[in-house]
Amino acid sequence: DAGVIQSPRHEVTEMGQEVTLRCKPISGHNSLFWYRQTMMRGLELLIYFNNNVPIDDSGMPEDRFSAKMPNASFSTLKIQPSEPRDSAVYFCASSLVSEDQPQHFGDGTRLSIL
Amino acid sequence: QKEVEQDPGPLSVPEGAIVSLNCTYSNSAFQYFMWYRQYSRKGPELLMYTYSSGNKEDGRFTAQVDKSSKYISLFIRDSQPSDSATYLCAMSTYTNAGKSTFGDGTTLTVKP
Repeated sequence: DAGVIQSPRHEVTEMGQEVTLRCKPISGHNSLFWYRQTMMRGLELLIYFNNNVPIDDSGMPEDRFSAKMPNASFSTLKIQPSEPRDSAVYFCASSLVSEDQPQHFGDGTRLSIL
Repeated sequence: QKEVEQDPGPLSVPEGAIVSLNCTYSNSAFQYFMWYRQYSRKGPELLMYTYSSGNKEDGRFTAQVDKSSKYISLFIRDSQPSDSATYLCAMSTYTNAGKSTFGDGTTLTVKP
């Protein structure tokens, strides 16, 4: 069974550019989570969806960040405009909430904003 | 104060040692307790998953939950160099089982 798939694995771009991160959750999972991980702040929950609907976006740092989940098999996290302080590893995770199952993570996107 | 506290380490032990990793928490509503292992440049990988109090064993790994003390532990027996990683504890409430609160992780090195 395929795990959570994230793309790209690495992204290097200049400040001010738009960045789009992509995630394909595990088939059949009904919740999807976006996290950011840095040495200073650890693993931070940015937003999560249940059945494609955003439930809690209180972790989104500011309006430059947006996330969408147009269907059960795809989600995007967009940063526009990007800033150097957005440099981090961004993880996507999915779970099956109805079965009280824990989250399964992708391998992340390592983002560097120059 | 964070809801979940975890000693960041780093922790270094010789091969074959017993390792004890711990987390404390403040939210008494937490019912689900997880341990994740994260290798460098990889995503967290679920290692152990327990519900409420008690012990759970899986091979060389044992997870303990003491809800009265708001304290959870992960024990690794006969540690191996391949166990070198960062270990994150995570917890969630019954009503929001999908949304977990993570500790900051403990970095473990097992030396051959």
